[in-house]
Amino acid sequence: GAGVSQTPSNKVTEKGKYVELRCDPISGHTALYWYRQSLGQGPEFLIYFQGTGAADDSGLPNDRFFAVRPEGSVSTLKIQRTERGDSAVYLCASSLTFNGGGTDTQYFGPGTRLTVL
Amino acid sequence: AQSVSQHNHHVILSEAASLELGCNYSYGGTVNLFWYVQYPGQHLQLLLKYFSGDPLVKGIKGFEAEFIKSKFSFNLRKPSVQWSDTAEYFCAVMGYGNNRLAFGKGNQVVVIP
Repeated sequence: GAGVSQTPSNKVTEKGKYVELRCDPISGHTALYWYRQSLGQGPEFLIYFQGTGAADDSGLPNDRFFAVRPEGSVSTLKIQRTERGDSAVYLCASSLTFNGGGTDTQYFGPGTRLTVL
Repeated sequence: AQSVSQHNHHVILSEAASLELGCNYSYGGTVNLFWYVQYPGQHLQLLLKYFSGDPLVKGIKGFEAEFIKSKFSFNLRKPSVQWSDTAEYFCAVMGYGNNRLAFGKGNQVVVIP
């Protein structure tokens, strides 16, 4: 596709519910990233994938958060037992390769705004 | 861990004025540095980046940034802003060897016609 796409664009849920957020990276990009942006803050790293495997999940705040990328393309971020503090914009990005030097540009999607009531 | 500080979170200026946004980072090793911009209603996009070489890098739309290693800084500049530069600007750092971007809190810039 032309860019990174994310669905849904908005998600409202109740405290304690389970949610799934989807990311479709740019075609051919092997690296995929999830970030979270709270109000008034910059994006905060959650996890990234190289292919199907999570190369670094050190940013996931706790075990309620989990992400998968089973076929090395689309990724799903899953949040169990949502809390009001999970309300934020969840951003996905992709880059052409996994590059230990960090020289590949990360291209961001429009984000999913999650509101937990 | 890498971190970024951005000051003057809200900046208001008139068209044709010069803009400089400060960015200081904290990291114990080699870094890659980025400025991203988010225009109203749009998603984050790369403005410019520094990996190595000439510490003065030029990006899109007339922006430039200078990496000063001794000051751990990567300030963004534009000599003459336009109304269309109204946006939020984020500085980000990536430690060499990992792919995690660490962002600052951002600068909300409003340019008055």
